[in-house]
Parts: sequence; C-alpha cells; structure tokens
Amino acid sequence: QVQLVESGGGVVQPGRSLRLSCVASGITFSNYGMHWVRQAPDKGLEWVALFSSDGHTIYYVDSVKGRFTISRDNSRNTLDLQMDSLRAEDTAMYYCARGRGGFTNYYFDLWGQGTPVTVSS
Amino acid sequence: DIQMTQSPSSLSASVGDRVTITCRASQSISRYLNWYQQKPGKAPDLLIYTASTLQSGVPSRFSGSGSGTDFTLTINSLQPEDFATYYCQQSYSIPGTFGLGTKVEI
Repeated sequence: QVQLVESGGGVVQPGRSLRLSCVASGITFSNYGMHWVRQAPDKGLEWVALFSSDGHTIYYVDSVKGRFTISRDNSRNTLDLQMDSLRAEDTAMYYCARGRGGFTNYYFDLWGQGTPVTVSS
Repeated sequence: DIQMTQSPSSLSASVGDRVTITCRASQSISRYLNWYQQKPGKAPDLLIYTASTLQSGVPSRFSGSGSGTDFTLTINSLQPEDFATYYCQQSYSIPGTFGLGTKVEI
C-alpha cells in the first residue's frame, strides 16, 4: 500500500525538543525528494523543509532555520524532523509529503495523515 | 519569498455551479503553480500541477489555467464532494509558498 505515516507529535513546553518521523511504504523512497509541510490550527499551509533525493540538498523555511533539522534514512524509508527550541508559533499539524520534480516545478502528490504538535506551557 | 494571493477567501455555491478561484503571484512564476484540495481533518490532495496538468484520478470538471503571475482554478458543475478548501502553491522557487486558501461552501 502506497502511504506515508507520520508519528512523534505531542504536547511540549516552549524551548523543548520533539522529533517527528515519517515512514514510507509502497514507494521507492530513495527516488524522491521529501518535504515537511505544516498547518497551524485553522490556518493555511506552510512549507517547512526539503531533503533532496540525491541526499545533497536541504532547504528550510527561514522561520525554522537553526532550530529544525531534517534527515532521512533510505535504508529504513524514513524521513525525520528534529525540532529544537520550540516556540508557540510552531504549533501545527505536520505533514510529510512526497515531492515530484526538482527544485523548480515540483509538487506534492502523496501526503501523510499528519502528526499534531502543540507547544504550550 | 514569493507571495501568493488567493481570491476570494471564501465563496458560497450550489451543486451544479461553475466556480472560479484566482491566485496571483508577487512575481512571475512561469507556469509553476499547483492547486490542492483539502477537506476538514484531512491532508491536502493534489489536483493540478504546472498550472494546468490534471493529477491522475482527478475529475475532468477541474481545470487550471494561467501563466506569469495570474492563475485560475475552475470547477465546472460543482459536486457535493467538492465542498472544501483550495490552496494554490508556487513551485518556481523554494520556499514553495502557498496561498491562504479559498473555502468553497454550500
């Protein structure tokens, strides 16, 4: 079955850390760039990070640079997001998504169900 | 970063209506524009990529057009399952910024 399944979300205090994981099945994981996209409660979508399929390129949205680290393990078909120094504004549903295309003209054709992160004291 | 402006933010329509949603980019993005549909409590689904290419399995009543800075998503003969929120996303550069969404309500 072709799917992405996220885990690791929860409630955490400001300044603390959380690690999200996304496990892919039914796809050749190593062939695709993988992304994290988040959605704050009752808000729109925000792209967060990318790990390219060739393993050489990583991008982050400015608001998480220096705090979040994206990684992948192709042997385990897993994409992770290490989130440090969490802030209230990081509260969101976090989705992993499969990217098609390159660094231009890309799109997300497979999404996980999301894992919720709440940053609150 | 490229800013994406969607309009309207919400609209009311009836089954069978034709609905048009627009998306404007803050700079030219060629045809690198995607459309997603999201239903409450669900992940987004890809509808259209590269401005006008219909994703496999998406009904033909959905269509997209545009280039440069102005883009349109059209839904012909709105069906009950089409009531959802629609987002545009530019893929000209990273970060792939999204519009704020258009909620299509009954």
